[in-house]
Amino acid sequence: QQQVKQSPQSLIVQKGGIPIINCAYENTAFDYFPWYQQFPGKGPALLIAIRPDVSEKKEGRFTISFNKSAKQFSLHIMDSQPGDSATYFCAARITGGYQKVTFGTGTKLQVIP
Amino acid sequence: ETGVTQSPTHLIKTRGQQVTLRCSSQSGHNTVSWYQQALGQGPQFIFQYYREEENGRGNFPPRFSGLQFPNYSSELNVNALELDDSALYLCASSPSTGSTQYFGPGTRLTVL
Repeated sequence: QQQVKQSPQSLIVQKGGIPIINCAYENTAFDYFPWYQQFPGKGPALLIAIRPDVSEKKEGRFTISFNKSAKQFSLHIMDSQPGDSATYFCAARITGGYQKVTFGTGTKLQVIP
Repeated sequence: ETGVTQSPTHLIKTRGQQVTLRCSSQSGHNTVSWYQQALGQGPQFIFQYYREEENGRGNFPPRFSGLQFPNYSSELNVNALELDDSALYLCASSPSTGSTQYFGPGTRLTVL
């Protein structure tokens, strides 16, 4: 059962564009929503994370928007650069107990110069 | 401070064999989680170890087992390998069970 749905599967933008990746979740017990960036041959690296009591969080060029009532959240990358080309995963976790992170299926982003 | 390391980098096995993958946690981290990432998919949670005991498990059969050692390093063992076990196996460590996980580079397992 896929509990975190992610779209699009792939995305191509020009340098300076603002790619947007969307995710939706089903389990209302999730209370922590991280985004991971993965380069080929590397493990996922935490990029930015948000809790459902906040509607937006910015860190540098990365912004998460969160809509608790719709059970949706999205990642925006401002002024995208070719170095941002990677696969991005949204994820969700329930705080407390053991830490099982449920990942989306990933979005492969290509930023062309 | 060293990050999470995994060995080997790549591994090729045949169906029915057994495999052991290893993970060294980041310094000061007492919790290790293992994930399976099939090609083109997101990582799937296998299990988590906290202070040498399994404290959570995902939807994987018992032939997937693990160990955590007193120095908090960890092993993932897979018995009776199947073709579908071909994947990138990721280890992630964290300072405690509820905090941010830091992933290693993974071990690419190919089952022929």
